Amino acid sequence: QQPVQSPQAVILREGEDAVINCSSSKALYSVHWYRQKHGEAPVFLMILLKGGEQKGHDKISASFNEKKQQSSLYLTASQLSYSGTYFCGTRLAGGTSYGKLTFGQGTILTVHP
Amino acid sequence: NAGVTQTPKFRVLKTGQSMTLLCAQDMNHEYMYWYRQDPGMGLRLIHYSVGEGTTAKGEVPDGYNVSRLKKQNFLLGLESAAPSQTSVYFCASGQLSGTGELFFGEGSRLTVL
Repeated sequence: QQPVQSPQAVILREGEDAVINCSSSKALYSVHWYRQKHGEAPVFLMILLKGGEQKGHDKISASFNEKKQQSSLYLTASQLSYSGTYFCGTRLAGGTSYGKLTFGQGTILTVHP
Repeated sequence: NAGVTQTPKFRVLKTGQSMTLLCAQDMNHEYMYWYRQDPGMGLRLIHYSVGEGTTAKGEVPDGYNVSRLKKQNFLLGLESAAPSQTSVYFCASGQLSGTGELFFGEGSRLTVL
């Protein structure tokens, strides 16, 4: 079961903020965020483990609400380099699918000057 | 410093032909994954492995087989290719401990005519 991301696409001007959401219908153990530039492989941004933690580096941060089975990725003061497709990946809680990591359909982020 | 290497990078097949995609990693990772990426569908998990000699089905396993005879290699096979299997295939490897980061290969573009 792929997690569901929203919105499907976002268009920003440099300096604007954006939020990308990721939700699951099942209990989650961890949420993983990746960014993919056109024609390239996805690149790891961060992982959030159950426990409701929030993480960030530079101007990109994320939160994980374990009870709601949701995660959000926050991009503040966006830069041109933030353009790309963002994917959330989820691992389910419980031991039946240990190691299984499924990704959402992606959110296309475009930052204009 | 190879990381994750996929071969071949491009391939054109006729319907009904068979082929094998090879993924090799040099980071001693336990976990390896095969995903396919199609426009608007995100990254969909085909099969994955949590260690040498083990494999498990992902979200879209039909028409594919895999093997993990050696820890560093994860093979994806198409026994009888169909046009619906035209896609970009990504292999990834990682550990669940530490950062939990997956490292992706550059992708293999497969076209089935």
